[in-house]
Amino acid sequence: DAMVIQNPRYQVTQFGKPVTLSCSQTLNHNVMYWYQQKSSQAPKLLFHYYDKDFNNEADTPDNFQSRRPNTSFCFLDIRSPGLGDAAMYLCATSTTGGETQYFGPGTRLLVL
Amino acid sequence: SQQGEEDPQALSIQEGENATMNCSYKTSINNLQWYRQNSGRGLVHLILIRSNEREKHSGRLRVTLDTSKKSSSLLITASRAADTASYFCATEEDFGNEKLTFGTGTRLTIIP
Repeated sequence: DAMVIQNPRYQVTQFGKPVTLSCSQTLNHNVMYWYQQKSSQAPKLLFHYYDKDFNNEADTPDNFQSRRPNTSFCFLDIRSPGLGDAAMYLCATSTTGGETQYFGPGTRLLVL
Repeated sequence: SQQGEEDPQALSIQEGENATMNCSYKTSINNLQWYRQNSGRGLVHLILIRSNEREKHSGRLRVTLDTSKKSSSLLITASRAADTASYFCATEEDFGNEKLTFGTGTRLTIIP
């Protein structure tokens, strides 16, 4: 079945130790998104790619970077995780911007 | 920035009753979507309503949109225990910026 896959589902890292979260999709969608969701809050968009075109949200910290080496894969790099970066990170895809988004199951990040 | 606010923040009803959730937003939109999120999981798209539509149905779901009041409602009829989840509205603003802005969410609990 076509889907959005996120690995790992749970990630524990140490304060300041770089971490990479991955997302892959078999839907062949042009657009991929990364969201941060803290407990009982709405998902907050960090950035998105339209094909290879990268779009950063104005309030996304520099600590967060992303790579999209090909259509299927997208990575979220957190260069120096702080305690405040503990959250669920959600990857989503869509055929074109603003239409239905298909979400992966999320990666829950814990920072010790 | 937060586009939508949902009301109520939390709702508990008996199984079989109808559940109504409301969403208000601030700017002109192309479409409004509703998503469901089970605890600790990714979001699942439920229904999309475009700015020129006033009402839409999908199974037990009924969505209304009032662009003059910048508000939408989601009605779930004949609720089931499996409907227990958080429900988020999301809007695509009308200048086509390829992204959605999510509301604050309603936590729905169905009591068996």
